Amino acid sequence: GESVGLHLPTLSVQEGDNSIINCAYSNSASDYFIWYKQESGKGPQFIIDIRSNMDKRQGQRVTVLLNKTVKHLSLQIAATQPGDSAVYFCATGSQAGTALIFGKGTTLSVSS
Amino acid sequence: ETGVTQTPRHLVMGMTNKKSLKCEQHLGHNAMYWYKQSAKKPLELMFVYSLEERVENNSVPSRFSPECPNSSHLFLHLHTLQPEDSALYLCASSQMWGGAGELFFGEGSRLTVL
Repeated sequence: GESVGLHLPTLSVQEGDNSIINCAYSNSASDYFIWYKQESGKGPQFIIDIRSNMDKRQGQRVTVLLNKTVKHLSLQIAATQPGDSAVYFCATGSQAGTALIFGKGTTLSVSS
Repeated sequence: ETGVTQTPRHLVMGMTNKKSLKCEQHLGHNAMYWYKQSAKKPLELMFVYSLEERVENNSVPSRFSPECPNSSHLFLHLHTLQPEDSALYLCASSQMWGGAGELFFGEGSRLTVL
């Protein structure tokens, strides 16, 4: 069946470092990709998304890269701050799908 | 009011109880969703409603019963649950039904089944 997986369940970085969180997906029909951040006790919050007609998209301190050839998605966070500590999820979807499919989540810990 | 509101935030119930989770969205969206979030597992899609009509029931046991009286409200009725049903239940909405757009999540209802 369709799956979305993260390469690392945890990532620890120092404040000011750049963070990279990776995600792999299995469904070649996926055409929409999204990253969420979930802080303790809260619901997932949108970070950035990208559609399959692009391979890179930038936001404020965040960049999403999409490699459709190898079905790989990554989230880059520049100058990581303690407030970035959270669980990060990737999710994929398609025009023909019913809802987003989520990966397990990577816990990012930022130490100062 | 925030975009998607869930109540209660915390719920403890016995296996013989009947309770309900409530979700309300203030975004004018047409689709609403229930997801289950368990530790160390991906978010699991439970139900999808589009314009008050259920469009997906993802093999969820009948002890979970959804209700969508209008496009702004979604309920999850719970009865005779099992301890393994303890989890965070997340409600979400989107502008249109489908897998090609952002979901807006509530803060979740943390359910503990004793």
